[in-house]
Amino acid sequence: GQQLNQSPQSMFIQEGEDVSMNCTSSSIFNTWLWYKQDPGEGPVLLIALYKAGELTSNGRLTAQFGITRKDSFLNISASIPSDVGIYFCAGQEGVLGGAQKLVFGQGTRLTINP
Amino acid sequence: KAGVTQTPRYLIKTRGQQVTLSCSPISGHRSVSWYQQTPGQGLQFLFEYFSETQRNKGNFPGRFSGRQFSNSRSEMNVSTLELGDSALYLCASSFYAGRAYTEAFFGQGTRLTVV
Repeated sequence: GQQLNQSPQSMFIQEGEDVSMNCTSSSIFNTWLWYKQDPGEGPVLLIALYKAGELTSNGRLTAQFGITRKDSFLNISASIPSDVGIYFCAGQEGVLGGAQKLVFGQGTRLTINP
Repeated sequence: KAGVTQTPRYLIKTRGQQVTLSCSPISGHRSVSWYQQTPGQGLQFLFEYFSETQRNKGNFPGRFSGRQFSNSRSEMNVSTLELGDSALYLCASSFYAGRAYTEAFFGQGTRLTVV
């Protein structure tokens, strides 16, 4: 199935460091979403981006919707232990008639050394 | 406001059996989407229902089906289970605001194991 290109696949960092991850696509999306998933749980929405070029923050998280509408990045500043998990980007297609469908990246697994 | 509720959380089934999973969306959300998550394929879109109608379908065999009820609750069914159907099945709900959807909120998922 279709997937976005998300990188890096994994990150091992020290507590307090900043983190950056990104997603690219060959297709245009109307909306970019970033989710975090803990083991055995469903993805939790972190940030939603609706306009090309939009830069949005949620606490220590900052995400941008690429101007070409084919990419997005997520930054986490001053990482803390609870940031550990898998981060997914998702693009929402603009389907005629408004049907909802998300295409996901492969995920970035974040590990933090205290 | 209650979140998306999926039941059951865990299921173990035998090859050849069928299974039904349930999803209750956030109150007021009429769009329900289903996704399959596996280590090899990641998160893959199964189908989406809005106002009891399937509006979009992913690339899955006909053994995977679903439906939505008038209260927006949704069920998905997998018939003739195969080992490869073992996965975390996730349901997401969205609010349709005129010409666009709001962001999708996910439930905790149902972990299906086929033996």
